[in-house]
Amino acid sequence: GQQLNQSPQSMFIQEGEDVSMNCTSSSIFNTWLWYKQDPGEGPVLLIALYKAGELTSNGRLTAQFGITRKDSFLNISASIPSDVGIYFCAGDNTGNQFYFGTGTSLTVIP
Amino acid sequence: SAVISQKPSRDICQRGTSLTIQCQVDSQVTMMFWYRQQPGQSLTLIATANQGSEATYESGFVIDKFPISRPNLTFSTLTVSNMSPEDSSIYLCSAPDRANYGYTFGSGTRLTVV
Repeated sequence: GQQLNQSPQSMFIQEGEDVSMNCTSSSIFNTWLWYKQDPGEGPVLLIALYKAGELTSNGRLTAQFGITRKDSFLNISASIPSDVGIYFCAGDNTGNQFYFGTGTSLTVIP
Repeated sequence: SAVISQKPSRDICQRGTSLTIQCQVDSQVTMMFWYRQQPGQSLTLIATANQGSEATYESGFVIDKFPISRPNLTFSTLTVSNMSPEDSSIYLCSAPDRANYGYTFGSGTRLTVV
């Protein structure tokens, strides 16, 4: 399968701080998705991106589809304790199969 | 959004036995996907299950070990056969979500093989 690398691997931040994470691939993707996974649960879709350069927001979350189509970024503003979890990017270039990134573990310290 | 019910949510199994995991989607979907997530790791696609045809397996996964059924457009099962401790993982099913063009996941099955 394809390899998507996420960074950082883990983050420990103070409540109220902003968070940035990214995902890179050696392949071009047509769609990027960002998911959050809480312990004991399946991933939940946060944001979907469909066009190079696209910038999309969902509340305090903002994600961008990189111009090269080989990367994507997720920002979380004014973090809160419930933002804790593992964030995964996922990319698709076939229209019916997504590959997942290595994940970024986020810890928010109250 | 689509809702996927997955069961069992967890199980502890003896090595050499098999476990069948079920996923029910609340809408008809052409494709369903099965993933494995080993402890602390990302999700790895096992296979794509299409209704009316055999599942398509990813490299490293074979039908004899992970047989899949897809009897209709809302249901699929994954069986983990002849289990060993290395099969201890979370197994997740997924299906396209027409509402947001993303993919929805079941809540996962946490499997421990002893």
